[in-house]
Amino acid sequence: DTGVSQDPRHKITKRGQNVTFRCDPISEHNRLYWYRQTLGQGPEFLTYFQNEAQLEKSRLLSDRFSAERPKGSFSTLEIQRTEQGDSAMYLCASGQIRGNTEAFFGQGTRLTVV
Amino acid sequence: TQLLEQSPQFLSIQEGENLTVYCNSSSVFSSLQWYRQEPGEGPVLLVTVVTGGEVKKLKRLTFQFGDARKDSSLHITAAQPGDTGLYLCAGGGSGTYKYIFGTGTRLKVLA
Repeated sequence: DTGVSQDPRHKITKRGQNVTFRCDPISEHNRLYWYRQTLGQGPEFLTYFQNEAQLEKSRLLSDRFSAERPKGSFSTLEIQRTEQGDSAMYLCASGQIRGNTEAFFGQGTRLTVV
Repeated sequence: TQLLEQSPQFLSIQEGENLTVYCNSSSVFSSLQWYRQEPGEGPVLLVTVVTGGEVKKLKRLTFQFGDARKDSSLHITAAQPGDTGLYLCAGGGSGTYKYIFGTGTRLKVLA
């Protein structure tokens, strides 16, 4: 296993379009996180899954955003009716419930809304 | 609301110099991670500290967790151009699995 994988790496979309990002966590990691990072800032928490259950959501996650982890493995993050303010790096991370508390990040998906 | 503030925000130094980056909060964290991030890439985990007063070393990098688990520092000895990047601290609190990230310190080491 080579780590957390995100697809696509880059996405350019027109305002108003829907986009979907995928995250494949490290095998057997039951925790999965989505974060958003804008230029010059640290990552901001969006949502957290433990296995297939979405246990925590940030207020940043408006009703245009939806995340799923249907089988407790990969996850998707969909943004509907994109706005220019959605332009950011979307980061996925995974970790284990037991043992250490570390989170390992993927390379991110850079979204540009034009 | 838990907040982590990092200082300095920007640091430009010459190769061979030493530096310290600080990560401070008014909240207690059960663990604290330090990451390094390069442009266009995701953060890469450097270290995790969990015990108050804990010190960990990673080659030329020394990480310390404050006794009260509210703050942390990263010290780099004899900085090299390869150390250039965005350094982020992230705190994990008890009762929640999410990590709160600091504002970041952008380091540039000049050859």
